Amino acid sequence: NAGVTQTPKFRVLKTGQSMTLLCAQDMNHEYMYWYRQDPGMGLRLIHYSVGEGTTAKGEVPDGYNVSRLKKQNFLLGLESAAPSQTSVYFCASTIAETQYFGPGTRLLVL
Amino acid sequence: GENVEQHPSTLSVQEGDSAVIKCTYSDSASNYFPWYKQELGKRPQLIIDIRSNVGEKKDQRIAVTLNKTAKHFSLHITETQPEDSAVYFCAAPWGSGYSTLTFGKGTMLLVSP
Repeated sequence: NAGVTQTPKFRVLKTGQSMTLLCAQDMNHEYMYWYRQDPGMGLRLIHYSVGEGTTAKGEVPDGYNVSRLKKQNFLLGLESAAPSQTSVYFCASTIAETQYFGPGTRLLVL
Repeated sequence: GENVEQHPSTLSVQEGDSAVIKCTYSDSASNYFPWYKQELGKRPQLIIDIRSNVGEKKDQRIAVTLNKTAKHFSLHITETQPEDSAVYFCAAPWGSGYSTLTFGKGTMLLVSP
């Protein structure tokens, strides 16, 4: 039982490049989330999903897209990366109240 | 949407002292308030939560209190230890239900031996 995993752990992008972050959970959770964490800003919700095939916008969705084609996976895409998207990205999942976080992906956009 | 304010942003205490972190929220309909702990370089993990039908909840050295009238809730850590050093986040529901959360900006707690 791996819980919540994220791929990759670290990535460097140039401005304008695209990439996809993968989140996977093996707990059969319905709800999944993508957050970004910046110094002094806490955790801010980007997008979330309440089940396979559904997605919804969070507090800071601009510049990101998501897909939930399989229940266990939640993908976060950056179509054209910008330096403002340099951050640590956390995925989480839940079946009730408690959110279980992945280990995070550190993204640097130059 | 919910607005969560958290204070202080940093807190330094001596080992054995108590620490208190306070959060305020804006939506009077909010009914679930968790606290997460994030050690350096690690992922956030839930340490305690409280629902609006109770005023206080304890778990060993940590406790959370809730004042719905004033719309604030607090985390209390007694007999602090160096391993309590971490960033603590409060949260409140964002939108309907409790499935999405708005987090405070965090409090860095430093416990000196």
